[in-house]
Amino acid sequence: QKEVEQNSGPLSVPEGAIASLNCTYSDRGSQSFFWYRQYSGKSPELIMSIYSNGDKEDGRFTAQLNKASQYVSLLIRDSQPSDSATYLCAVRRTTDSWGKFQFGAGTQVVVTP
Amino acid sequence: DTEVTQTPKHLVMGMTNKKSLKCEQHMGHRAMYWYKQKAKKPPELMFVYSYEKLSINESVPSRFSPECPNSSLLNLHLHALQPEDSALYLCASSQKTGTYNEQFFGPGTRLTVL
Repeated sequence: QKEVEQNSGPLSVPEGAIASLNCTYSDRGSQSFFWYRQYSGKSPELIMSIYSNGDKEDGRFTAQLNKASQYVSLLIRDSQPSDSATYLCAVRRTTDSWGKFQFGAGTQVVVTP
Repeated sequence: DTEVTQTPKHLVMGMTNKKSLKCEQHMGHRAMYWYKQKAKKPPELMFVYSYEKLSINESVPSRFSPECPNSSLLNLHLHALQPEDSALYLCASSQKTGTYNEQFFGPGTRLTVL
């Protein structure tokens, strides 16, 4: 079992719809969770961090964390073609010192006009 | 200013060359990182500097040599690389190391080793 799992996609989403991305992790004691967006050939860009159970909203993005079920999700509302990218889930386990992430493999999102 | 800069953007080098990658941040962050990313894979951590001291070396071959001259600058010296070292090299920084610190990535250097 991988430490952090994401569906690789591609996730095809009509423009204006909600894109729902999921991420599960194996270390129950993980404390902090991050979503990065990466356009093809570019570097990862931090979208959201979440540390407590529940929802966290920032513009069209909502991160949801459920530590009991060991998953974190990202919702993208009113999806735009510019949201087409790979979304990386990053998790810090309790045993990770010095800021090390466990990354998922990433989910490719394609927003179709 | 939430920017991490990296130079050069692209680098082509032969296996006998010596070159350096540079990274700079002016956010007052005290932790800086080097990552390597191959196509369609997530970034892999190489080195972590905390307060200008090397804290983590993820068993990286000695042909990669990091240096942190001051709290704003991070270099990666390259020597006798192999073609399989061709990748996107990413620098990142965070306020400190630790659980709740967000990391911000620079634009990366696309390295090709011939």
